[in-house]
Amino acid sequence: AQKVTQAQTEISVVEKEDVTLDCVYETRDTTYYLFWYKQPPSGELVFLIRRNSFDEQNEISGRYSWNFQKSTSSFNFTITASQVVDSAVYFCALIERGTYKYIFGTGTRLKVLA
Amino acid sequence: SAVISQKPSRDICQRGTSLTIQCQVDSQVTMMFWYRQQPGQSLTLIATANQGSEATYESGFVIDKFPISRPNLTFSTLTVSNMSPEDSSIYLCSVGLAGDDDTQYFGPGTRLTVL
Repeated sequence: AQKVTQAQTEISVVEKEDVTLDCVYETRDTTYYLFWYKQPPSGELVFLIRRNSFDEQNEISGRYSWNFQKSTSSFNFTITASQVVDSAVYFCALIERGTYKYIFGTGTRLKVLA
Repeated sequence: SAVISQKPSRDICQRGTSLTIQCQVDSQVTMMFWYRQQPGQSLTLIATANQGSEATYESGFVIDKFPISRPNLTFSTLTVSNMSPEDSSIYLCSVGLAGDDDTQYFGPGTRLTVL
């Protein structure tokens, strides 16, 4: 069965600290996509990144970076030099190709303190 | 991506009434979905809104409670019927774009409180 686990319910850091959000997934399929979304207090879900199962290259976008490790079924998200505006709930999600059904993790609430 | 709007952005309703939420996209999209996010919880898929046919509901959700319409490729509505306080949630629509069907883009959400 498919499953996405975000074991960290809430994380608090002080501004400028680096923080890593963990995501572990389970799937029997060989073709799948992984995603990260950000949900600020306003409620909108903002798409951050998509990674397919055949591309294990890590990705960096500004202060954001993602580490995809198929060997450990993990897709972790690191924010470097965190800012107060990074405070939000972050969701990791999995989709098996062709199903269009997301499996969401339970989310990690990140609080960045000034 | 696409620009997605939802109306209303929030509402406070009385028990037993119904509310219709609209989702408008600025371009034609192949897939449209409706999600519910109960307070402090993750997102749960309610249904896939199919253009020109009945929506496809997930386990635990029924058409009588959550009727959905999708008259064209840019618009859909979700009605929450005979509401109870347990229906208090954020309701979000999402879309999948042609050629990018595996990625869903979400609307701003409708924050519903039922008294």
